[in-house]
Amino acid sequence: QKEVEQDPGPLSVPEGAIVSLNCTYSNSAFQYFMWYRQYSRKGPELLMYTYSSGNKEDGRFTAQVDKSSKYISLFIRDSQPSDSATYLCAMSGETSGSRLTFGEGTQLTVNP
Amino acid sequence: KAGVTQTPRYLIKTRGQQVTLSCSPISGHRSVSWYQQTPGQGLQFLFEYFSETQRNKGNFPGRFSGRQFSNSRSEMNVSTLELGDSALYLCASSKLNGQGGAQETQYFGPGTRLLVL
Repeated sequence: QKEVEQDPGPLSVPEGAIVSLNCTYSNSAFQYFMWYRQYSRKGPELLMYTYSSGNKEDGRFTAQVDKSSKYISLFIRDSQPSDSATYLCAMSGETSGSRLTFGEGTQLTVNP
Repeated sequence: KAGVTQTPRYLIKTRGQQVTLSCSPISGHRSVSWYQQTPGQGLQFLFEYFSETQRNKGNFPGRFSGRQFSNSRSEMNVSTLELGDSALYLCASSKLNGQGGAQETQYFGPGTRLLVL
């Protein structure tokens, strides 16, 4: 069983929809939670970064972490065609150093 | 500020050959990590270097090795290439001060796409 599970999709939504992306994990030592966006033939870019449980909002993006359920989410409001990409969740612990454990990634397409 | 650069961007090799990939981190970043990305396995951690020392290593065979130079630039080497080594190899850098503690933001390069025939 993988440490981080993420539905690979693909997920297709109309422009303007609210998108919900999720990951579950099994390692209770994870304290840092990130969402990366990866466009085709590019490296991942950091979208959201959260420490421990709670919510964080940045523009159209909201990240939620529920450590009791070992479940994290990323919500995208008013989705745009430019949001079409693969979204990767990533996690690490206090002693992980720079080692990130990634989910498989969810491929999202926002249709105009 | 220049981002993480990786060379070459694309590479074709045959089984049994070896390959060296290069990564230049963002100026001032001292930690460099390498990841392998494949459609079936996603991104998997290879190793991390900080101040020319390997600090962390993933579950890859010894054919995968790396090093870091005094200017923080890093190289990774794969010897005796196998078909399954075909992947996108990503390098990420962060400021990480080496003391542990709070996770520093990691910035990824565009990757080197390796095809093994």
